[in-house]
Amino acid sequence: KAGVTQTPRYLIKTRGQQVTLSCSPISGHRSVSWYQQTPGQGLQFLFEYFSETQRNKGNFPGRFSGRQFSNSRSEMNVSTLELGDSALYLCASSTDRGPGNTIYFGEGSWLTVV
Amino acid sequence: GQSLEQPSEVTAVEGAIVQINCTYQTSGFYGLSWYQQHDGGAPTFLSYNALDGLEETGRFSSFLSRSDSYGYLLLQELQMKDSASYFCAAKAAGNKLTFGGGTRVLVKP
Repeated sequence: KAGVTQTPRYLIKTRGQQVTLSCSPISGHRSVSWYQQTPGQGLQFLFEYFSETQRNKGNFPGRFSGRQFSNSRSEMNVSTLELGDSALYLCASSTDRGPGNTIYFGEGSWLTVV
Repeated sequence: GQSLEQPSEVTAVEGAIVQINCTYQTSGFYGLSWYQQHDGGAPTFLSYNALDGLEETGRFSSFLSRSDSYGYLLLQELQMKDSASYFCAAKAAGNKLTFGGGTRVLVKP
């Protein structure tokens, strides 16, 4: 069974540009979440999508957005990139929102903003 | 808000036992997860405690006490490949995980 797949793995963008990251969850998983990991702030929750609806949102500015498609695949977008957006962006998927389900992470997308 | 506290670093020798404690303050708490992350890699799921008590998975065990807002991860028979960062994470509604700062475990020969 394939794991969570994220693309691209590595990318470099210029300040002011925008970026779109893609995530394919584990087959059968309908919940997809996004996290940002930086050395200074650690792992921080961005948002969660379930059945194409955003269910949860972290404390990030509106420049960070996402969406989920009918096949559960998800994308996140960051507009007007800032140097501080350089981070590892992780996608995680899960079967549902119950208290007992496990959340699995993809390998992440390394974003460098120059 | 939610916060989780765990030690920043632990050093041990091969074959030893290491316990990583995690205390949390959170609302809407569902359970406590543990993840392992090697440098440059993604967090890998280790265990999840939704109920009080001990969960054992091979050399790794995890414990949760809801009344004490406390949990721990026990790494037994340490191996060099266990050198990594370990994160506790509180699971809340909507699959939201709030992570601790991570504990860097260094295993020495």
